[in-house]
Amino acid sequence: EVQLVESGGGLVKPGGSLRLSCAASGYTFSSYSMNWVRQAPGKGLEWVSSISSSWSSTYYADSVKGRFTISRDNAKNSLYLEMNSLRAEDTAVYYCANWGDSYYHYMDVWGRGTSVTVSS
Amino acid sequence: EIVLTQSPGTLSLSPGERATLSCRASQSVSSTYLAWYQQKPGQAPRLLIYGASSRAAGIPDRFSGSGSGTDFTLTISRLEPEDFAVYYCQQYGGSPLFAFGPGTKVNSK
Repeated sequence: EVQLVESGGGLVKPGGSLRLSCAASGYTFSSYSMNWVRQAPGKGLEWVSSISSSWSSTYYADSVKGRFTISRDNAKNSLYLEMNSLRAEDTAVYYCANWGDSYYHYMDVWGRGTSVTVSS
Repeated sequence: EIVLTQSPGTLSLSPGERATLSCRASQSVSSTYLAWYQQKPGQAPRLLIYGASSRAAGIPDRFSGSGSGTDFTLTISRLEPEDFAVYYCQQYGGSPLFAFGPGTKVNSK
């Protein structure tokens, strides 16, 4: 079964840091680019960051550029999001999602998400 | 920057009725890069449509997508009880790399 499982969320103070992980199983993780997408409470979806399959390219939303770092370990079938200088507006459920197709550019497999709360 | 707008914000319909959801882009986008997702409360989004009109694996044929340029439509031909959810359109390319619309909530009348 193709599966993505996020972990690492929690409560953190403004200005703090957190590292999210996403464990992939059931498919050839190293062949696919990956994404992080977040959803603030009661709000819509917001793309956060993407990374190519070989880690040669990374992309960030303007809202997180310079504060968040995406990375991956293909040997461990894992995706990461290092989040620094966290702000209240970063409070959200963070989903990892497989970048399913390099032609159509959709996200076809999603994890259940991990919740991040930034509050003093 | 391409901005996606979805309408209506909320659609109140009964099971068996037809749902028509709109996604409008602030400038012309390639239909190749237009996708639709369904999200139910407490769940992750699920891919429904990609390439504006191709159904993802396992998606029932009551879901269909159409459109080009700046105007795209998701149609649910006959609503089933499990179809009441929030629907998002998504566009790839430009800045930001992926953009999502604000969503349309389909709820039961």
